[in-house]
Amino acid sequence: KNEVEQSPQNLTAQEGEFITINCSYSVGISALHWLQQHPGGGIVSLFMLSSGKKKHGRLIATINIQEKHSSLHITASHPRDSAVYICAGGHVNNNDMRFGAGTRLTVKP
Amino acid sequence: KAGVTQTPRYLIKTRGQQVTLSCSPISGHRSVSWYQQTPGQGLQFLFEYFSETQRNKGNFPGRFSGRQFSNSRSEMNVSTLELGDSALYLCASSLQRGTTDTQYFGPGTRLTVL
Repeated sequence: KNEVEQSPQNLTAQEGEFITINCSYSVGISALHWLQQHPGGGIVSLFMLSSGKKKHGRLIATINIQEKHSSLHITASHPRDSAVYICAGGHVNNNDMRFGAGTRLTVKP
Repeated sequence: KAGVTQTPRYLIKTRGQQVTLSCSPISGHRSVSWYQQTPGQGLQFLFEYFSETQRNKGNFPGRFSGRQFSNSRSEMNVSTLELGDSALYLCASSLQRGTTDTQYFGPGTRLTVL
């Protein structure tokens, strides 16, 4: 079992839909990162959070430390949101990064 | 500020050769982390350098090594290349240690080993 699990692996949505991507982790982490990777490989850091909730534009990230679970929400999805979304945890002891397998999101117009 | 740059962007090598990849972080960033991304294994942590010292290393063989210079630029080296080393190699920089700070990723170097 991977230390960081994401679901779903693939997600197809219609433009305007509300989207949720889930991330569960089994190791102690110091912070949870959400990353976005577009075709071609470029990765952008969306959020880093260790508690509570953060919002940036149409994106919202939440984390529940007790349940070791984080969610990424996209409101009013748009085709330009189509990308792979990756969650990663900074290991609290080893201080390395553990990655989920990614969620491939396709938003259709 | 200029973003993280990586050179070269594409590289083709043959088995047994060695390769050096370069990463220039955002000005003022002291941490540089390296990652390998393959279709089968996804993203994996290689190592992190902070203030010229390797702070942590992932589960990779000793053929993978790196260093960081006083201007925070970093290089990673892979010796005795194997087919399985074909991957996208990404570096990321941050002000503080990478696991608890926002990381800024470079465009990556795509290495193909024939």
